[in-house]
Amino acid sequence: GAVVSQHPSRVICKSGTSVKIECRSLDFQATTMFWYRQFPKQSLMLMATSNEGSKATYEQGVEKDKFLINHASLTLSTLTVTSAHPEDSSFYICSARSGANVLTFGAGSRLTVL
Amino acid sequence: AQSVTQLGSHVSVSEGALVLLRCNYSSSVPPYLFWYVQYPNQGLQLLLKYTSAATLVKGINGFEAEFKKSETSFHLTKPSAHMSDAAEYFCAVAPGAGSYQLTFGKGTKLSVIP
Repeated sequence: GAVVSQHPSRVICKSGTSVKIECRSLDFQATTMFWYRQFPKQSLMLMATSNEGSKATYEQGVEKDKFLINHASLTLSTLTVTSAHPEDSSFYICSARSGANVLTFGAGSRLTVL
Repeated sequence: AQSVTQLGSHVSVSEGALVLLRCNYSSSVPPYLFWYVQYPNQGLQLLLKYTSAATLVKGINGFEAEFKKSETSFHLTKPSAHMSDAAEYFCAVAPGAGSYQLTFGKGTKLSVIP
């Protein structure tokens, strides 16, 4: 079946640094990927839609300059959290279209900003 | 606009007992509905989906859900709980065919008591 790989699974960084999270579709091509943020004991909140070869579409209230998304190939989308601060600490999850009305999710990346 | 309400943030059942996780939705268009399961520190795995075909949908791991338009519900059931079913369950809605922008409920944590 379709597999989406996220890397790193955990990352700890200092406040003010930037962190890049990768989302790869391993056995299929994904023209569209989605990035979510999940706070503890809460649901997933869609942050942005990543489209291969074009600019990402951000949800209302999500800072596009803070969360940079690049979808440079049909199998890779990256989320860069720039100038990270403790309030950016969260669980970030990506998903990719893998079939008709089917999304395959990555295992998530836990970001801790000290 | 669409939304999902999951009744009960935490449900406990005995091993072998019936599992019932409740989900009610609101959608301005005929919805597509999904149930996902999330194990600790992992991404989401699709359990089942309703896409306007049969109202009773069977998924993986013995789970099933019934779409009831009159009640705007899509409750998830399993006849006999297993210890491995302990996880977080999310109900999600998409505004019909071709849309991958899911709106998630807040999730229900299922505990299975031996």
